[in-house]
Amino acid sequence: NAGVTQTPKFQVLKTGQSMTLQCAQDMNHNSMYWYRQDPGMGLRLIYYSASEGTTDKGEVPNGYNVSRLNKREFSLRLESAAPSQTSVYFCASTQVEGVNGYTFGSGTRLTVV
Amino acid sequence: QKEVEQNSGPLSVPEGAIASLNCTYSDRGSQSFFWYRQYSGKSPELIMSIYSNGDKEDGRFTAQLNKASQYVSLLIRDSQPSDSATYLCAVMSRDDKIIFGKGTRLHILP
Repeated sequence: NAGVTQTPKFQVLKTGQSMTLQCAQDMNHNSMYWYRQDPGMGLRLIYYSASEGTTDKGEVPNGYNVSRLNKREFSLRLESAAPSQTSVYFCASTQVEGVNGYTFGSGTRLTVV
Repeated sequence: QKEVEQNSGPLSVPEGAIASLNCTYSDRGSQSFFWYRQYSGKSPELIMSIYSNGDKEDGRFTAQLNKASQYVSLLIRDSQPSDSATYLCAVMSRDDKIIFGKGTRLHILP
């Protein structure tokens, strides 16, 4: 009963490097989300996918791209990492937004130096 | 700008007492309301959802919603040290967007 699985759990990048954060859910949920959480800022939505084949920008999309590979998987890519992207990243999913709550993955702690 | 406001805390409550966590929201047309618990270094975990005015009880937790006052609260009865965490309020606005508050840190004193 895995729920939402995120990889990696920790990552250190140098400024300018790229990486992809992976997220997969096994609950047959339609909607998936990427959030970042910073001290004092709360959870901020980066991108979301309401259903397979669609993606939309959230509150803080600059510097990120996403891919909804299939119904299970939703990846987040940093093309050229910046120190401002140091954060904890959470993937989440839900069956029907606003009806069911979110199930969150365990998070990725990213440091950009 | 739709907002969800929570007192950041920390809120200190003696073990066995009732902890009361509050949340206000700006969008009067908001439809759905959620409470998440987040332990330090962990991910948020859904503990309660509420959709209509009044109280909803689940074990030691009671969610209260007052749409006229744009106010939602979470009561934790018989508080335990394991309840020490940050509690996030989340509100679904009329345009189907979930907005999270910044959370209230709760500390249960043994």
